[in-house]
Amino acid sequence: GENVEQHPSTLSVQEGDSAVIKCTYSDSASNYFPWYKQELGKGPQLIIDIRSNVGEKKDQRIAVTLNKTAKHFSLHITETQPEDSAVYFCAASNTGGGADGLTFGKGTHLIIQP
Amino acid sequence: GAGVSQSPSNKVTEKGKDVELRCDPISGHTALYWYRQSLGQGLEFLIYFQGNSAPDKSGLPSDRFSAERTGGSVSTLTIQRTQQEDSAVYLCASSSLGISYNEQFFGPGTRLTVL
Repeated sequence: GENVEQHPSTLSVQEGDSAVIKCTYSDSASNYFPWYKQELGKGPQLIIDIRSNVGEKKDQRIAVTLNKTAKHFSLHITETQPEDSAVYFCAASNTGGGADGLTFGKGTHLIIQP
Repeated sequence: GAGVSQSPSNKVTEKGKDVELRCDPISGHTALYWYRQSLGQGLEFLIYFQGNSAPDKSGLPSDRFSAERTGGSVSTLTIQRTQQEDSAVYLCASSSLGISYNEQFFGPGTRLTVL
């Protein structure tokens, strides 16, 4: 089955700087890669996703890149703000969440220092 | 409803007791998923329901775990003879279609503590 590795486990950046979180996956059949943000006491919330037919997607301060050959994808947050502090999870799936669900990384605790 | 709801939000039980966790998906969503989130870990996929179809149970960690979905809507995850290693946050998610690239909307979870 799919295995997703996520790094780093903790990331501390100064407010206004950029943050990058990286994930690798093992199953070359995976074709859907969402990123979730989880705040304390809440369920994960989708912030951006990418499908295997594109290499990059951007939404305001958030961007995701995908390298299918190397089987890795990354989340980039620019101009970080205090409200970006949370745990971020990457995930992979070859059906977009069907019978096998999503396979998640172990999460990155992002800390934005004021 | 406004979003996925789960109850109870917290459950403390004694080892060996049975527990039932409930999930109300977003109205109209045909797909429903259960995940388990252990402390400091990512989310572990447990089971998936698509409408009224029989679920794929192969992700359930042991035969003490079972789940059902009545009428294609509300779902219940049951853990029998709970063990301390069952302590985790159990998350439910729903989406409008289970076999395409549709966002999974998560509930707030049920925090289960087995003493």
